[in-house]
Amino acid sequence: AQSVTQPDIHITVSEGASLELRCNYSYGATPYLFWYVQSPGQGLQLLLKYFSGDTLVQGIKGFEAEFKRSQSSFNLRKPSVHWSDAAEYFCAVGLKEYGNKLVFGAGTILRVKS
Amino acid sequence: KAGVTQTPRYLIKTRGQQVTLSCSPISGHRSVSWYQQTPGQGLQFLFEYFSETQRNKGNFPGRFSGRQFSNSRSEMNVSTLELGDSALYLCASSLVGTGGETQYFGPGTRLLVL
Repeated sequence: AQSVTQPDIHITVSEGASLELRCNYSYGATPYLFWYVQSPGQGLQLLLKYFSGDTLVQGIKGFEAEFKRSQSSFNLRKPSVHWSDAAEYFCAVGLKEYGNKLVFGAGTILRVKS
Repeated sequence: KAGVTQTPRYLIKTRGQQVTLSCSPISGHRSVSWYQQTPGQGLQFLFEYFSETQRNKGNFPGRFSGRQFSNSRSEMNVSTLELGDSALYLCASSLVGTGGETQYFGPGTRLLVL
């Protein structure tokens, strides 16, 4: 069955430290890959997406993600975290034949300590 | 450009009642998708509409239905509400929903079923 795994439910990092959020997927083909962020009481905002080509993609707010086909992973990274990055982060995958349907991971809650 | 709007933002209903939620996509967007977000099940795809036709459907009972109007606005309806229907309902819009498109999410409607 198709699935998306975010193994870390909570992550706490110090402000200024680097961040890596993990995402693994289980699909037969290479899917479209997305990272979204959700602040409390808000909808989802797209950080970045991968379709094909360069496996390192840059997004908004200084985030980047690297697609690794051999590991079926799409990890999100940021070199220096700011307090305003505290939020919940969702990895999502889609397949061309399913149109806009996205399958989301369970999410990772990021806490930033000063 | 105005973002995706959802009305109402908050709603309280009792078991057995029905509810209708509304979503107005970004101007020019013709694809609207709906998602249910709960603490236990996370984000789950309900359905997608394009040009007034349901194009994809998630694994939800028939009590969940939707429609799209000629101006691309969409409504979803839940009949015979159950306690487990309490959730944040998010809609997302995109230009044509060909898969891999950026989907823009609204702030959601928070439904509480008592």
